[in-house]
Amino acid sequence: EDKVVQSPLSLVVHEGDTVTLNCSYEVTNFRSLLWYKQEKKAPTFLFMLTSSGIEKKSGRLSSILDKKELFSILNITATQTGDSAIYLCAVEDNNDMRFGAGTRLTVKP
Amino acid sequence: NAGVTQTPKFQVLKTGQSMTLQCAQDMNHEYMSWYRQDPGMGLRLIHYSVGAGITDQGEVPNGYNVSRSTTEDFPLRLLSAAPSQTSVYFCASAGGLTDTQYFGPGTRLTVL
Repeated sequence: EDKVVQSPLSLVVHEGDTVTLNCSYEVTNFRSLLWYKQEKKAPTFLFMLTSSGIEKKSGRLSSILDKKELFSILNITATQTGDSAIYLCAVEDNNDMRFGAGTRLTVKP
Repeated sequence: NAGVTQTPKFQVLKTGQSMTLQCAQDMNHEYMSWYRQDPGMGLRLIHYSVGAGITDQGEVPNGYNVSRSTTEDFPLRLLSAAPSQTSVYFCASAGGLTDTQYFGPGTRLTVL
């Protein structure tokens, strides 16, 4: 059965810490993996990954995909309280997009 | 729990036809929402509801109507389908506005 698993489910850190969020997947006919940040009404798109080993970077956030081991990580360096959110991973294949359960990140001052 | 269910999974419409995408959840969640997912773009919020009888517009509401007569159901109506509405539609629910959203399996809609 196709699935997307995120870990940890919940994480509490202090400002300035670096965090790594994980997303593993089992899907057939993989096309892409997407990361979203969800704060309020709707998730905000962060990255789309399609190729292994190519890091995508946006400010303090970066992500990389390993298609051999079937996982992706999302790194956030020098965390700020504004990074507090639920981070969603979604994996797209030829017919479907499946979402993980999300990682709730809390950054304390 | 079945979680969030959506029907149909696939649909092909002709321009001008109307249809309703169904969404139901059995988790007693107050918050429900509809998104569309297009290639190269992130999820875009169409409409959302914070409880039965309450709905509001999201980022891209034009061409879509919703209603929330019960906590469980949140149908999305296309009144007159257009090719620009070809997309994958996701319904999601959450206990509250800042809680984890649970997504349905999606409806892949093609408008010819």
